[in-house]
Amino acid sequence: DVKVTQSSRYLVKRTGEKVFLECVQDMDHENMFWYRQDPGLGLRLIYFSYDVKMKEKGDIPEGYSVSREKKERFSLILESASTNQTSMYLCASSFFSQLYNEKLFFGSGTQLSVL
Amino acid sequence: ELKVEQNPLFLSMQEGKNYTIYCNYSTTSDRLYWYRQDPGKSLESLFVLLSNGAVKQEGRLMASLDTKARLSTLHITAAVHDLSATYFCAVDPPPGSSNYKLTFGKGTLLTVNP
Repeated sequence: DVKVTQSSRYLVKRTGEKVFLECVQDMDHENMFWYRQDPGLGLRLIYFSYDVKMKEKGDIPEGYSVSREKKERFSLILESASTNQTSMYLCASSFFSQLYNEKLFFGSGTQLSVL
Repeated sequence: ELKVEQNPLFLSMQEGKNYTIYCNYSTTSDRLYWYRQDPGKSLESLFVLLSNGAVKQEGRLMASLDTKARLSTLHITAAVHDLSATYFCAVDPPPGSSNYKLTFGKGTLLTVNP
């Protein structure tokens, strides 16, 4: 079974702190994604990566950065956390296909609260 | 810009009844996905619909895709409590697009009551 593991299930941080969310997948997937999920807004893509050291902005990249130094690991960084970044963060991965997206495998999510 | 609309957003139904969730999208796309999210859990892939007229079934759920109408349906037959969850559809970008961004609908919260 594909496993996408997010390092923390719940996280509480203070405004202005630097926050790292880690995600590891064990299926040798090329693509990795970070989404945030908010009530009434559904899933919104923050960043994705289709290869090591490659990254692309999603729909809401402001206030976030990412790092992909190894194929299996994709990190989301909040440089200076703010209260409006309180949310559920979902990591996902998939195989690469030239023409289409492949189905996503999601991690269990990190509920981040910024106080 | 691709927009994906699901309706209804909230659905409360009785066990044993049938119902359909609709997913409309605004621009051409050849692929559509349905995901399920249980309360407090992450998303799990249900169906991948690859072409016009595609129909997939698993248990009490059946999904179909009409690319000409830009519409997918998720039909629930004889609902049971275990189907209570949030259901998301997601759509591939248009053919020939250079990006890989799936666009998700806002989700349909289904509650099946005894």
